[in-house]
Amino acid sequence: ETGVTQSPTHLIKTRGQQVTLRCSSQSGHNTVSWYQQALGQGPQFIFQYYREEENGRGNFPPRFSGLQFPNYSSELNVNALELDDSALYLCASSSDVYRVQETQYFGPGTRLLVL
Amino acid sequence: QKEVEQNSGPLSVPEGAIASLNCTYSDRGSQSFFWYRQYSGKSPELIMSIYSNGDKEDGRFTAQLNKASQYVSLLIRDSQPSDSATYLCAVSREGGSYIPTFGRGTSLIVHP
Repeated sequence: ETGVTQSPTHLIKTRGQQVTLRCSSQSGHNTVSWYQQALGQGPQFIFQYYREEENGRGNFPPRFSGLQFPNYSSELNVNALELDDSALYLCASSSDVYRVQETQYFGPGTRLLVL
Repeated sequence: QKEVEQNSGPLSVPEGAIASLNCTYSDRGSQSFFWYRQYSGKSPELIMSIYSNGDKEDGRFTAQLNKASQYVSLLIRDSQPSDSATYLCAVSREGGSYIPTFGRGTSLIVHP
């Protein structure tokens, strides 16, 4: 157990809908990163939040957006869902984003299916 | 574009054998290297990290790093069926914030 939690665990949506995924970081961690992992692929970086500010973004369209709250929990919002958005969405937290030897710890993930 | 390459496998080894998993990366500025284990349907779990050239051992696991060749490997000694999983290599560079790039993973099957 890493102390990182995500909700919901599973979700089914239809194309065009919107979804919000939630993540609570491990105690003492101020950084949250979100990843999308399609079947048979490695995790792809979506974006990172550090102390409530976006701190980096991967190659994902603007319909993927996020928030980080004062308690360092985070949300991932996806608008206008597409079939290709079906994936495991992973949240990872870390304590010092600028420390080169920093590691991050993953939550259990949310599996999203878009029909 | 930063790339992390892994053979997708599956790599099949008998129980008790040494499993060798390999990873190459394209970004010469990479400074931190990680191996994650991911069981089917679960999230990645960190098993090893390595930051300097050479070997790093932790129990049955040994990570090997060669920055000149841009190569990192993971050896699993005395492989057990419970080691059957996908192993993800992740790499991050110096400077800026910590955002690792992941390979697609190598599927390992340890058969009795």
